[in-house]
Amino acid sequence: QVQLQQWGAGLLKPSETLSVTCIVYGGSFSDYNWNWIRQTPGKGLEWIGEINHSGSTNYNPSLKSRVTTSRDTSKNQFSLKLSSVTAADTAVYYCARGSKGLSMDVWGQGTTVTVSS
Amino acid sequence: AIQMTQSPSSLSASVGDRVTITCRASQGIRNDLGWYQQKPGKAPKLLIYAASSLQSGVPSRFSGSGSGADFTLTISSLQPEDFATYYCLQDYNYPYTFGQGTKLEIK
Repeated sequence: QVQLQQWGAGLLKPSETLSVTCIVYGGSFSDYNWNWIRQTPGKGLEWIGEINHSGSTNYNPSLKSRVTTSRDTSKNQFSLKLSSVTAADTAVYYCARGSKGLSMDVWGQGTTVTVSS
Repeated sequence: AIQMTQSPSSLSASVGDRVTITCRASQGIRNDLGWYQQKPGKAPKLLIYAASSLQSGVPSRFSGSGSGADFTLTISSLQPEDFATYYCLQDYNYPYTFGQGTKLEIK
């Protein structure tokens, strides 16, 4: 059974860089797209971006200038970095496995990130 | 970006009721739509993919329909564990977008 486990710093100051990593247990890593989503009370669920099965990235234009996603296939891990954070980036961040036509079927447990001075 | 409009935003129902939630896309998205259930403090859980395909392990009382721009999620007979928030997600094109959610509460 495929599981995603994620971790990252929970408290950041404005202007710092958010970093969250997700490790994939079980299943194929290279055959899927790996997504990042965040959830805030005010804006609901927001797709941040993905790194796909070929290593290409796609980002939400609303965050594109600050987002970087990467992967390490040898460790079955993928990561999110979001630079220059502000209070508006306070959210629960999720990683999720995706596949075209199959939506996002496996999710991490979520990482709560708070941005506060 | 494609806008996904869900309705209603909240719904009160009783155990055993049949419930329908709708999601409308601002443009056609073929059948590239998923439905998710989320409970407090938990990650969303995939119920339906490709608009009408039941995810493995999901009870058959959940069903999805639609294609193009209009989609529905139906729960045929509500169970106590079904009270949660439901979201739709389009992965037709980038950026992927979610509906704003439907909170299903006990009447």
